Amino acid sequence: EVQLVESGGGLVQPGGSLKLSCAASGFAFSGSTMHWVRQAAGKGLEWVGRIRNKTNNYATAYAASVKGRFTISRDDSKNTAYLELNSLRSEDTAVYYCSGGPDYWGQGTLVTVSS
Amino acid sequence: DIVMTQSPDSLAVSLGERAIINCKSSQNILYSSNNKNYLAWYQQKPGQPPKLLIYWASTRESGIPDRFSGSGSGTDFTLTISGLQAEDVAVYYCHQFYTSWTFGQGTRVEIK
Repeated sequence: EVQLVESGGGLVQPGGSLKLSCAASGFAFSGSTMHWVRQAAGKGLEWVGRIRNKTNNYATAYAASVKGRFTISRDDSKNTAYLELNSLRSEDTAVYYCSGGPDYWGQGTLVTVSS
Repeated sequence: DIVMTQSPDSLAVSLGERAIINCKSSQNILYSSNNKNYLAWYQQKPGQPPKLLIYWASTRESGIPDRFSGSGSGTDFTLTISGLQAEDVAVYYCHQFYTSWTFGQGTRVEIK
């Protein structure tokens, strides 16, 4: 059974930082491109970024709204992907999902940016 | 970036009737080398992650009822729910995974 479990969300002040984790099991994690997608309350889905596999040099790409502030990484030995969020703003408040492809989604972790 | 535009933003359909959601991409998302449209449809209910219904524009995910169907190619796509059931009340999203990822703004389906 495929499982993606996000963790690390919480309340953080504007300008602060947070690191989210996505623990994967049940599929070939090391060969997969991993994505992060977020959803603000009552809003639609917004792609945050992705990291490719080792064959593709772990190449990353980001949405313009987070480029330079967020960093995606992975540890294939732990079957885990990460999303580091820096210089957080109120508009970054959202549920953050990791995804291993259209058919693999986690349950999400809530990040709230507020003073 | 490829922009995905859904229509309508919301619709109300009587139980047992047909619901049709359209999705238009700003660029072609048909990959010529494998003749596949990199388009998926999701259903999302409150407090839940998106649930994959359709991929490659028209392939139903395992376990999805056959009242859900997808069609289209290139830049224009449609999700059809034939015979709406009460449990189909949700927000539906189209999603292109041809290059990076982008999503439509969502279509809310309700019971009339």
